[in-house]
Amino acid sequence: NAGVTQTPKFQVLKTGQSMTLQCAQDMNHNSMYWYRQDPGMGLRLIYYSASEGTTDKGEVPNGYNVSRLNKREFSLRLESAAPSQTSVYFCASSRTGTATDTQYFGPGTRLTVL
Amino acid sequence: DQQVKQNSPSLSVQEGRISILNCDYTNSMFDYFLWYKKYPAEGPTFLISISSIKDKNEDGRFTVFLNKSAKHLSLHIVPSQPGDSAVYFCAASYGLNAGGTSYGKLTFGQGTILTVHP
Repeated sequence: NAGVTQTPKFQVLKTGQSMTLQCAQDMNHNSMYWYRQDPGMGLRLIYYSASEGTTDKGEVPNGYNVSRLNKREFSLRLESAAPSQTSVYFCASSRTGTATDTQYFGPGTRLTVL
Repeated sequence: DQQVKQNSPSLSVQEGRISILNCDYTNSMFDYFLWYKKYPAEGPTFLISISSIKDKNEDGRFTVFLNKSAKHLSLHIVPSQPGDSAVYFCAASYGLNAGGTSYGKLTFGQGTILTVHP
């Protein structure tokens, strides 16, 4: 039982390049989330998926797209990377997505955009 | 507009003493509060939570206190251990009182780095 896995662990991009961050969970959870963590800002929600087939914007969605590929997988795409998107990205999942439901986080992807 | 604030970037305590981490919030709609712990190169892990109908919740060495009138919560760790050294994030959500259904959208504070010295 690996929990939440993320690939890649590290990535360096040039401005304007695109990439997809992958996330998978093996806990049969319904809800999944993408956060970014920046120094002095805590974690901020980018997008979330309450259940398979649905996605919604979070606090900072600009410059990102997401795909809930199936119940297990939730990917985050940067179409044209910008230096402001240099950050650590965390994927999380929860069983039901309710307010009291624990979110389980992956180990993160450290992205640098030059 | 930072709705959840942890004003102390860091805290250093001696092993065996009490660690007190503080968190303030501005949105009175928040009704569920959580603490997450994060080690370097790992994702955050859930530590303890409290709903707005309580003012205290305890789990072993960890106790969270909620003061709704002051919009303030604190995490007490007693006794502190070197393995507690990590970044601690306070988080808040709302929707608990709206039938308990929301999409678990969490608003995080900036984090406090706790160092426990042997």
